[in-house]
Amino acid sequence: KQEVTQIPAALSVPEGENLVLNCSFTDSAIYNLQWFRQDPGKGLTSLLLIQSSQREQTSGRLNASLDKSSGRSTLYIAASQPGDSATYLCAVSTGNQFYFGTGTSLTVIP
Amino acid sequence: DTAVSQTPKYLVTQMGNDKSIKCEQNLGHDTMYWYKQDSKKFLKIMFSYNNKELIINETVPNRFSPKSPDKAHLNLHINSLELGDSAVYFCASSQDSGGAYNEQFFGPGTRLTVL
Repeated sequence: KQEVTQIPAALSVPEGENLVLNCSFTDSAIYNLQWFRQDPGKGLTSLLLIQSSQREQTSGRLNASLDKSSGRSTLYIAASQPGDSATYLCAVSTGNQFYFGTGTSLTVIP
Repeated sequence: DTAVSQTPKYLVTQMGNDKSIKCEQNLGHDTMYWYKQDSKKFLKIMFSYNNKELIINETVPNRFSPKSPDKAHLNLHINSLELGDSAVYFCASSQDSGGAYNEQFFGPGTRLTVL
């Protein structure tokens, strides 16, 4: 059964720092990996989707990489801002099933 | 022009009651999902429907019954509510039920509190 882990569970950084969030999964037979952002009391906002054949995707200050063989993905956030404070979740798709990690709670200190 | 909408946003009810949560998507997607997010923020899939047909039914008590009147709607009915049902329930949709480019879009969630 697929298990998705995110480390660290919480991260606090000063504004302007570059940071990396990690996501690992146990079964490399995935269709894609998706990164989400969840603000307190809100739904999930899709940030990036990486197909299994891709190595990375970029959107603005965000860059997500995927190493399927080692079961790892990273989300790189450049020049962090207080508005980036949220919980970041990764999810892997194995077809019609999605498995979520437990999230990393990010706080960017002004 | 909300993509995935849910009603109600908050639901407070007594143990033993029956309640429903509604979900609608205007993205033209074929697949819809219900997730439960517990107090530790862990998201777990409950059900998935593709073109009104049930394709995922995880180990969920049979007090939970999804209904999809058409592919744009997926409602969740819960009978005999229990304290442990308190959670945030999210609806989501995606273009299809599989494939490399199967991006999920989530609704704002329904916070259910059972007293």
